[in-house]
Amino acid sequence: AQTVTQSQPEMSVQEAETVTLSCTYDTSESDYYLFWYKQPPSRQMILVIRQEAYKQQNATENRFSVNFQKAAKSFSLKISDSQLGDAAMYFCAYRSPSGNTPLVFGKGTRLSVIA
Amino acid sequence: GAVVSQHPSRVICKSGTSVKIECRSLDFQATTMFWYRQFPKQSLMLMATSNEGSKATYEQGVEKDKFLINHASLTLSTLTVTSAHPEDSSFYICSARDSPLDEQFFGPGTRLTVL
Repeated sequence: AQTVTQSQPEMSVQEAETVTLSCTYDTSESDYYLFWYKQPPSRQMILVIRQEAYKQQNATENRFSVNFQKAAKSFSLKISDSQLGDAAMYFCAYRSPSGNTPLVFGKGTRLSVIA
Repeated sequence: GAVVSQHPSRVICKSGTSVKIECRSLDFQATTMFWYRQFPKQSLMLMATSNEGSKATYEQGVEKDKFLINHASLTLSTLTVTSAHPEDSSFYICSARDSPLDEQFFGPGTRLTVL
């Protein structure tokens, strides 16, 4: 079974600075998908970024980018120019290639942004 | 992106009663939906996978007679908590898979409080 590990329960960053959230995973599959989700106080899950394992290029969405290291099974999220609205729980998630399989979530990292 | 709704958003019930939570995909058809449970300050825990027209697949440790799941149409899945007890109090989140987009979209969640 696949597992996802987020080793940082809490992180903080100064507004406008950059922060990196760590995520490692374990799988025997060669093809899969990785995700970062944001859960603000409203508790609505919001997709931040998605990475297909077969793609070597790291995904980027505006201020959010990932560092995907397939051999190391590492998938970190970098948030640049942090904003107050970035404060939330961030979950790393894994999904097998079949779309009918559920997401496997890490325990989450609570990010605080300091003004 | 696609929209998933949940109803009700909050429910308070007495111990021993049953509560039904609806999950609807509003602008796409979802053959597969997932039900998660989230305790305070914890990650999402998968309860079951709901497939339209067939029986749900429950995760180990989840009582299928207590958490009844029905996926009777391509846009609606329901979770019924039967004979609810205070320990069933939690935040319940559904997600629905949009096959063409190969992406899962989350509902806003339902907070259940059992007195």
